[in-house]
Amino acid sequence: GQQLNQSPQSMFIQEGEDVSMNCTSSSIFNTWLWYKQDPGEGPVLLIALYKAGELTSNGRLTAQFGITRKDSFLNISASIPSDVGIYFCAGPPSGGSYIPTFGRGTSLIVHP
Amino acid sequence: SQTIHQWPATLVQPVGSPLSLECTVEGTSNPNLYWYRQAAGRGLQLLFYSVGIGQISSEVPQNLSASRPQDRQFILSSKKLLLSDSGFYLCAWSVQGTNQPQHFGDGTRLSIL
Repeated sequence: GQQLNQSPQSMFIQEGEDVSMNCTSSSIFNTWLWYKQDPGEGPVLLIALYKAGELTSNGRLTAQFGITRKDSFLNISASIPSDVGIYFCAGPPSGGSYIPTFGRGTSLIVHP
Repeated sequence: SQTIHQWPATLVQPVGSPLSLECTVEGTSNPNLYWYRQAAGRGLQLLFYSVGIGQISSEVPQNLSASRPQDRQFILSSKKLLLSDSGFYLCAWSVQGTNQPQHFGDGTRLSIL
């Protein structure tokens, strides 16, 4: 089946630092999705990318759809304590599937 | 706007007891509906999905079942819970069609004793 490799697994950073995480696939994806999950809650969609090379921002968050269509990046600038959580990448592989594959998540801890 | 409701938020059940978790979506029609389980290792495991009333696809064989009695209602059930059924259960919906993002409920924390 499809696999998404998400890295890093965990990040421990100081408040104010920038964060970068990425996701790679062995297959071409038509859509890349980035979610954030707060402890004890469901994942919330942050950014959706639909076109190779697309760069989209949502506040301090910026995500890019890789040119090869096999990777995506999420950057968080000037991190704050409420950025703590697990960030998931996801996407339905090309071929018309409506079932996204999810990465295993990047756990972010921000020290004040 | 669309909303998704899941209940209960937490549940403690003895081994061998039945289970019923409910999920409803408002503000949209004919959504795709999904049940996921998230174990402590944090990966999301797809259990069931549905593209319409009465249509259920199972991704992982186990002692759980799902039903969709109404367009915007999705139920996860079990006749006899196992210890290994403990976890965080998430319901999600998406617009029909490909490349549509999923939107998740707040989850149910299920503990089996």
